[in-house]
Formats: sequence, structure tokens, C-alpha cells
Amino acid sequence: NAGVTQTPKFQVLKTGQSMTLQCAQDMNHEYMSWYRQDPGMGLRLIHYSVGAGITDQGEVPNGYNVSRSTTEDFPLRLLSAAPSQTSVYFCASSRTPAGTNEKLFFGSGTQLSVL
Amino acid sequence: AQKITQTQPGMFVQEKEAVTLDCTYDTSDPSYGLFWYKQPSSGEMIFLIYQGSYDQQNATEGRYSLNFQKARKSANLVISASQLGDSAMYFCAMRAYGNKLVFGAGTILRVKS
Repeated sequence: NAGVTQTPKFQVLKTGQSMTLQCAQDMNHEYMSWYRQDPGMGLRLIHYSVGAGITDQGEVPNGYNVSRSTTEDFPLRLLSAAPSQTSVYFCASSRTPAGTNEKLFFGSGTQLSVL
Repeated sequence: AQKITQTQPGMFVQEKEAVTLDCTYDTSDPSYGLFWYKQPSSGEMIFLIYQGSYDQQNATEGRYSLNFQKARKSANLVISASQLGDSAMYFCAMRAYGNKLVFGAGTILRVKS
């Protein structure tokens, strides 16, 4: 079982460039989300989706766009990369959006450096 | 607003001893779930244990147990019989109303031989 698949694993961008981080899950999960991990700050929620066609902002949404056209895919777009967006990015999904007992399944992460 | 606080940036423990990693939380929702994840140096996020706010007993999963004190809003992770492979970053997280899973800053655990 693939679970949650993120690509690429590593990426280096120049300031101002745009790119898309890909995320796909094969578990038919309704809920998908993107986090960024920075030292000393844990994981912070960027955007999330409770189903196809529905997205919402998390704690740190500025500079990022998302869309959810299918249940399986939830890409994260950096519109104009900035050094402050250097981070490790995780995509995560859960079976349903509403349950407080629903654990998240994580992808393996993308290490992004913006120069 | 939901908040998770992990006050121990780093911890050391001797191999085969037990260790407690602290976690306090804040929420006004009566229904919530508390989670612990492990992140080894490889970077993956590994689910360890879950505790529901209405659960009467503390959760246990093998060598992991969760010391849940609802009145004090704490959900400490206890690892018994530490192993070298337990060296990792540990995150406490909470999921309440609104779908979001909120994480603490994490605690780095180092197991000494």
C-alpha cells in the first residue's frame, strides 16, 4: 500500500520562482492537509481540505495555494517563493474530517530550500 | 483556540529506564483527541498513541502509555524500558472541533547506552 505519496523529496528554488508540491493518497481519505515544519515551532497547518472541491486556510496560509479537484490529490502551490518558505513540508490525510479520534497519515516530506 | 505546549526541548534517558515527555493542552471543546507522533532522524512521522477526551482509562500501546490528567489538561507520554531506537523527536498533538490537528513544538529524546 502506497499510503500518502509526496513528490519531490528535495527541491531548491530561487526567490520568486513558483512550483507545486504534489500529494496523492490511495486510501480514499476525505480529509487532506499540508503542514510545514520549522525548528522549534513543530508542525503548522498551511491549508486543508475536507473533500473534493472544498479547501480552507490553516494557521500559515500566506504565499500558498491549494485545490482539491479529486479525492486522491491535494497539490500545494508556491506562487512566488521566498526564503521564509524554506522548510520541510508534510502532506497528511485522514479517513474522515469530523472525528476527533481520526489520526493523520503522513507522507515522507519535502525538504524545500529557497535561495 | 487550541494550543499544545511541550516545555521540554530536549531530554536524555539511560537505556532500559523509563522516561516521561510532558504535554499540556488548551481547548474549550468538550470533545477532543490527543495524539503522540514520533519523528526519527529519517524524517517520517510515526503515530504512537491516541487518547480520547471521554476515555476513562489511560491509553497504552506496548511500551508507550499516555498519562492523561483531564483536570490538569495534561497528556504526558511515558516510554518504558527505553531503547536506543527511541531516540527521536516526539510531538504531542490535539484534534478538536474544526478538523485541524494542532501540534506542539516537540521534544528531542536521546537514549544513552
